[in-house]
Amino acid sequence: GAGVSQSPRYKVAKRGQDVALRCDPISGHVSLFWYQQALGQGPEFLTYFQNEAQLDKSGLPSDRFFAERPEGSVSTLKIQRTQQEDSAVYLCASSSHLGQGYEQYFGPGTRLTVT
Amino acid sequence: DQQVKQNSPSLSVQEGRISILNCDYTNSMFDYFLWYKKYPAEGPTFLISISSIKDKNEDGRFTVFLNKSAKHLSLHIVPSQPGDSAVYFCAASGTSGTYKYIFGTGTRLKVLA
Repeated sequence: GAGVSQSPRYKVAKRGQDVALRCDPISGHVSLFWYQQALGQGPEFLTYFQNEAQLDKSGLPSDRFFAERPEGSVSTLKIQRTQQEDSAVYLCASSSHLGQGYEQYFGPGTRLTVT
Repeated sequence: DQQVKQNSPSLSVQEGRISILNCDYTNSMFDYFLWYKKYPAEGPTFLISISSIKDKNEDGRFTVFLNKSAKHLSLHIVPSQPGDSAVYFCAASGTSGTYKYIFGTGTRLKVLA
């Protein structure tokens, strides 16, 4: 079956613009995670959902970052008033269940460049 | 504060030999550990995991060892193949009521033919 897909794959934004990044998880997966990966670093946790409920948003770096998953499927990560430090690859992952032992399947990521 | 550390940014190994990738962690609440492999322009893919109740888990050519007292885990790949060339991330999660993964910074493995 289809894996996790993300769109767009590449996004260039001018500083101050708003962006929206989309994640389509594996069908039926209840958990969805967002990570930010800066160049040369490992993925850093941003937030996760169980169905439509956002259970942990402790990793969101500022109130400019907002994530939603209104119907418990597709998720959107929105960044308002982008700054250069937001340049990174944004990874989405989904899992069939929430809990240890349930693998997180990652999408290919969206590379955001803020100029 | 980096809770999961991979101190070797890169490693080169001859084809057929053993690759050993290391990972250290600081948070004693971590009780589940994973290794992910990442090729360029792709998302990480799961490789192998280990729970803190074990000290070893094997899957084909891949073995993960966990030393809880030293807060150290390692991934052994035997024999190494050129297709194993990728960036390897270790990740950890705990029982503090959240299921997020904390990732290390990665080790780039190059297997030389």
